[in-house]
Amino acid sequence: DGGITQSPKYLFRKEGQNVTLSCEQNLNHDAMYWYRQDPGQGLRLIYYSQIVNDFQKGDIAEGYSVSREKKESFPLTVTSAQKNPTAFYLCASSNEYTGELFFGEGSRLTVL
Amino acid sequence: AQSVTQPDIHITVSEGASLELRCNYSYGATPYLFWYVQSPGQGLQLLLKYFSGDTLVQGIKGFEAEFKRSQSSFNLRKPSVHWSDAAEYFCAVGAWNRDDKIIFGKGTRLHILP
Repeated sequence: DGGITQSPKYLFRKEGQNVTLSCEQNLNHDAMYWYRQDPGQGLRLIYYSQIVNDFQKGDIAEGYSVSREKKESFPLTVTSAQKNPTAFYLCASSNEYTGELFFGEGSRLTVL
Repeated sequence: AQSVTQPDIHITVSEGASLELRCNYSYGATPYLFWYVQSPGQGLQLLLKYFSGDTLVQGIKGFEAEFKRSQSSFNLRKPSVHWSDAAEYFCAVGAWNRDDKIIFGKGTRLHILP
């Protein structure tokens, strides 16, 4: 089945450590996105990529980094510079013509 | 740039009652409009979408929404809710211009009374 796979689903890390969240899609979509979700905040855009080897900052990119070396993959690294990294992270890809977003199941990161 | 407002943070309805979740948007041209649903700890699932044409759109799970241009609204409705409808609902607005990203409202949490 076509879809978006995020891993791991749950992740714990100590302060000062970098962590990478995986996102893979087999929908053949060009565009991919990372969102952060906090209670009562809705979805906030971290980074997005509209094509391989290119990506742009979203609204809250500080403390995060991404790469887009393959069309299918868009990993997100939460660096030690991110001051409040505990959150639920959602990856999505979009249909080129309609902009409709397809989401993964999310990754919950907890910093201890 | 576009924006989305969901005025109700929480709504509680009894099982079997009708439901309407409000969504107001701001965008200079005809927008794309979406409703997504999210169960706790899960990703978002598309309920329905409006691009053009008939302003009353039907979605999955018995939901429908009506686009009213004069009111800049896209309210979600269901005639009779089920306990399984308890979730968080997000309205989103997209744009024909690919430089404008999809913007989400802050969500409405739906609670169902037995």
